[in-house]
Amino acid sequence: SQKIEQNSEALNIQEGKTATLTCNYTNYSPAYLQWYRQDPGRGPVFLLLIRENEKEKRKERLKVTFDTTLKQSLFHITASQPADSATYLCALFPGYSSASKIIFGSGTRLSIRP
Amino acid sequence: EAQVTQNPRYLITVTGKKLTVTCSQNMNHEYMSWYRQDPGLGLRQIYYSMNVEVTDKGDVPEGYKVSRKEKRNFPLILESPSPNQTSLYFCASSFGSPPERQETQYFGPGTRLLVL
Repeated sequence: SQKIEQNSEALNIQEGKTATLTCNYTNYSPAYLQWYRQDPGRGPVFLLLIRENEKEKRKERLKVTFDTTLKQSLFHITASQPADSATYLCALFPGYSSASKIIFGSGTRLSIRP
Repeated sequence: EAQVTQNPRYLITVTGKKLTVTCSQNMNHEYMSWYRQDPGLGLRQIYYSMNVEVTDKGDVPEGYKVSRKEKRNFPLILESPSPNQTSLYFCASSFGSPPERQETQYFGPGTRLLVL
């Protein structure tokens, strides 16, 4: 079956460390993958998009990698801060054969302790 | 201000009573979508629309209807709500149709629905 999984439901790390979140998928050949941040009671907010022909994308303290062989994307937050605490979602566009659907992972709740 | 708005934000209803959740965007986006979010299941796409009068099913369309008569509006209709449709609903929009221009999705604030 087709699945998209995020490595853990919750991740707790010390301020200043690098947080690494994982998104794995099976049976898709996505044209691109996105990462979103969601705070409690709010809608997701887009962070980064990475395309199938890109290996890495950066935005300030954020970095996303995309390995289509491993079928995996890694999302890194360097020099993490308590304000980075939120749930992070990955989402992929499955590809031409699935029209315009978008599939989301269930999210990883990240907590940065001071 | 560029935004996606949803109404109502909170709704309590009873089984079988038809309801509509409105969604509107002011960014002239072509692509609009409805999601439901449930604990442990993440966001699941209900329906999406690539443009006016063009709609298609997402992963969980059963029990829902949509329409896209105008570019800015994409209402979600529950003809006969049931308790298993109790959820947090999000509307989203983005500039273009996949794959080349399907980039950032802008999400609305959410509608929390309770069906008794």
